[in-house]
Amino acid sequence: AQSVSQHNHHVILSEAASLELGCNYSYGGTVNLFWYVQYPGQHLQLLLKYFSGDPLVKGIKGFEAEFIKSKFSFNLRKPSVQWSDTAEYFCLTGGGNKLTFGTGTQLKVEL
Amino acid sequence: GAVVSQHPSWVICKSGTSVKIECRSLDFQATTMFWYRQFPKQSLMLMATSNEGSKATYEQGVEKDKFLINHASLTLSTLTVTSAHPEDSSFYICSARSRDNSYEQYFGPGTRLTVT
Repeated sequence: AQSVSQHNHHVILSEAASLELGCNYSYGGTVNLFWYVQYPGQHLQLLLKYFSGDPLVKGIKGFEAEFIKSKFSFNLRKPSVQWSDTAEYFCLTGGGNKLTFGTGTQLKVEL
Repeated sequence: GAVVSQHPSWVICKSGTSVKIECRSLDFQATTMFWYRQFPKQSLMLMATSNEGSKATYEQGVEKDKFLINHASLTLSTLTVTSAHPEDSSFYICSARSRDNSYEQYFGPGTRLTVT
């Protein structure tokens, strides 16, 4: 079964710092990868997704992720975080009819 | 577009009673809907997948007689927690996938269930 693992459970950054959240996936044939975000009190929203093609994926709100097949990774990046990026971030993989969630990373951005 | 709503947003019920949670796709037709459960400080766990007009497919370890899922139309799925117990207290989230989308799911805001 496909799975993803997220290495950082809690990350605290100052505004303007650069962000990189790790995500590794297990090999399972066709790879579909996603990053979702859950802002406090809000529902999950899609940040970006990768199905095929250009391994560098641009998402909303200045986020991007790079699919590196040799490392089984799909890390999320943002060059300069803002206080409003405080949220929980989930890496997901999808195969067939299902999405499998990673454990999530709680990001706190301090002013 | 692609908005999913859930009702109620929170509910408190007594042990032994049943609770129904609704999940609606507001502006698209959802051929497949998913029900997740999220425990405090943990990730979402898929409970079941439902396709319109057919029986739900439950994940291993999820009691189908306890968590009844009905997907009666392309815009509505319901989850009924039967004979609820305190250990069923959790955050239940639904998601929906449109008929013309590969794997992207649109998530509802969740329902907080507390069983006393």
